[in-house]
Amino acid sequence: AQSVTQLGSHVSVSEGALVLLRCNYSSSVPPYLFWYVQYPNQGLQLLLKYTTGATLVKGINGFEAEFKKSETSFHLTKPSAHMSDAAEYFCAVSHSGGSNYKLTFGKGTLLTVNP
Amino acid sequence: GAGVSQSPSNKVTEKGKDVELRCDPISGHTALYWYRQRLGQGLEFLIYFQGNSAPDKSGLPSDRFSAERTGESVSTLTIQRTQQEDSAVYLCASSPLAGATYNEQFFGPGTRLTVL
Repeated sequence: AQSVTQLGSHVSVSEGALVLLRCNYSSSVPPYLFWYVQYPNQGLQLLLKYTTGATLVKGINGFEAEFKKSETSFHLTKPSAHMSDAAEYFCAVSHSGGSNYKLTFGKGTLLTVNP
Repeated sequence: GAGVSQSPSNKVTEKGKDVELRCDPISGHTALYWYRQRLGQGLEFLIYFQGNSAPDKSGLPSDRFSAERTGESVSTLTIQRTQQEDSAVYLCASSPLAGATYNEQFFGPGTRLTVL
């Protein structure tokens, strides 16, 4: 069984400050890892994903995440927050086996950006 | 092209009534997924359709929940005898193909269901 823990249901940063959203996972097999963003009244949009290869992955809107196997983490970062980054962010894991279509999501982190 | 669409966007119903939620996937996407998002919770996997294969229904929470898909097009999620705990946002997603490598899931805007 796999699970995802997102530390902090709500993170507040100032515009221009570093954004760090934490995600830890558990998986019995090599994982695929994802970050999705959900803007108000919209569906989820994929920010970035890790499947294999380079452990530092870059996504849209200046976000990146690093897969750290030893720490079972996949934290999301952005050097400088913009007001438009305010949204809810979900970390998700699937595994690389036959049921790789199943995504297990964390509970989400609501990011607030203050002017 | 058009993304995943869902209807209705909002549904308010009385306890005990049946509801039907609709999902139109992206044209050409063979895989379709339903998720439930309860307030303050992550998304829960409900059901997965892939082409003509038998659907994976392992996430359906009770026999009051069922889903159908016509070929590789529209899907409907039906909840019978709704209960207040069914109140949630129901999200649909589609992807080009689920196979040995991951394919990105494209999500619709969801249907917000409120059971009074």
